Amino acid sequence: LAKTTQPISMDSYEGQEVNITCSHNNIATNDYITWYQQFPSQGPRFIIQGYKTKVTNEVASLFIPADRKSSTLSLPRVSLSDTAVYYCLVGPQYIFGTGTRLKVLA
Amino acid sequence: DAGVTQSPTHLIKTRGQHVTLRCSPISGHKSVSWYQQVLGQGPQFIFQYYEKEERGRGNFPDRFSARQFPNYSSELNVNALLLGDSALYLCASSLLRLADYEQYFGPGTRLTVT
Repeated sequence: LAKTTQPISMDSYEGQEVNITCSHNNIATNDYITWYQQFPSQGPRFIIQGYKTKVTNEVASLFIPADRKSSTLSLPRVSLSDTAVYYCLVGPQYIFGTGTRLKVLA
Repeated sequence: DAGVTQSPTHLIKTRGQHVTLRCSPISGHKSVSWYQQVLGQGPQFIFQYYEKEERGRGNFPDRFSARQFPNYSSELNVNALLLGDSALYLCASSLLRLADYEQYFGPGTRLTVT
């Protein structure tokens, strides 16, 4: 199973674009990359999923290079309410790592 | 449409007791998974049920068991509670059994073991 590595924490200011990178060097050919967001004392919420190149939805964009050994979640113009933990999952969507704790400052 | 619901919201138990947690999936979802989340860590997979059969099990002792009912709701049972079982227990449902299909999580049950 592919192991993921993310920064433990990040700080940003309101209105900035935030990019969170996840490394997954041993991703398998059939593995998808999925990101979840979690607020304190709530269940994770699906943000976005992709296999290659770029995926965009109303919340975020996901950039995946050709070798698929990493991926970047991009959150445009973050607000205070985007303060949360963000998890990158590769392959089966039941293996969560420790995530990236994003703090958005005013 | 209602999301995933879990009951109870909070629970306090004593070591050695037994606990039952309940989960109702989103209507039409046939897969239910259970997770344990200890403070400061990511969710840890406990079980997945699909069409009332266990389809996956994480690295948890036999004190943990679960089942899924004909209406696709599910129960998680934990016997002989330990202090270390104190955690947020999350239930997630998804439309399909496939492991790469997005999951919808409930608000969780906060279990405190004293």
